[in-house]
Amino acid sequence: QVHLEESGGGLVQPGGTLRLSCEASGFTFSDFYMTWIRQAPGKGLEYIAYISSSSGHDTNYADSLKGRFTISRDNAKNSLYLQMNSLRDEDTAVYYCARYHYTSGYWIFDFWGQGTLVTVSS
Amino acid sequence: DIQLTQSPSFLSASVGDRVTITCRASQGINSYLAWFQQIPGEAPKLLIFGPSILQSGVPSRFRGSGSGTEFTLTISSLQPEDFGVYYCQQLMTYPRTFGQGTKVEIK
Repeated sequence: QVHLEESGGGLVQPGGTLRLSCEASGFTFSDFYMTWIRQAPGKGLEYIAYISSSSGHDTNYADSLKGRFTISRDNAKNSLYLQMNSLRDEDTAVYYCARYHYTSGYWIFDFWGQGTLVTVSS
Repeated sequence: DIQLTQSPSFLSASVGDRVTITCRASQGINSYLAWFQQIPGEAPKLLIFGPSILQSGVPSRFRGSGSGTEFTLTISSLQPEDFGVYYCQQLMTYPRTFGQGTKVEIK
């Protein structure tokens, strides 16, 4: 079955950097688009970015995060990444990776990992 | 960005009750909507998209409907495991946006 596991979260100072990973199993990773979503403590869900399947040449970012966050993938390692630079207090959140799947005419976030917590604080 | 507004923000209902949650979009999104359930401490789970296509494994008591700017999620007979926060998400444009959530409590 589909399994996604995020890692790399932790405590980081404002202005710092962090790289999150998401290891996938149970499906052919290279065939699927992937996405990152975050959730600040006690708040709702916020889309971060997606990356296309295979080569990963097609990416899309939330405007508010463009330039600071970079999504990438390594199909040989069945892994998705999120490089986060110039971190701010408001980036504190649980970060989820999700499979981004096209079915029945819709692009859906059909399977999610359990998330990894990023805390930005001095 | 497309704004999604859910109502109510909170509801408390008894087991067996029929529950309805509404999601209104700031502009027309045809049928490009999905619903998620999030149990505290867990990742969101996709329930319905399109907006009436049931995701595999989701019980048939969940039903989605609507188009354009107004959508509803109905739970025909609320069960104890249905507590949590429900979110709608638009699938029309980027950035993908979510509603603010509806917290469902079991009385």
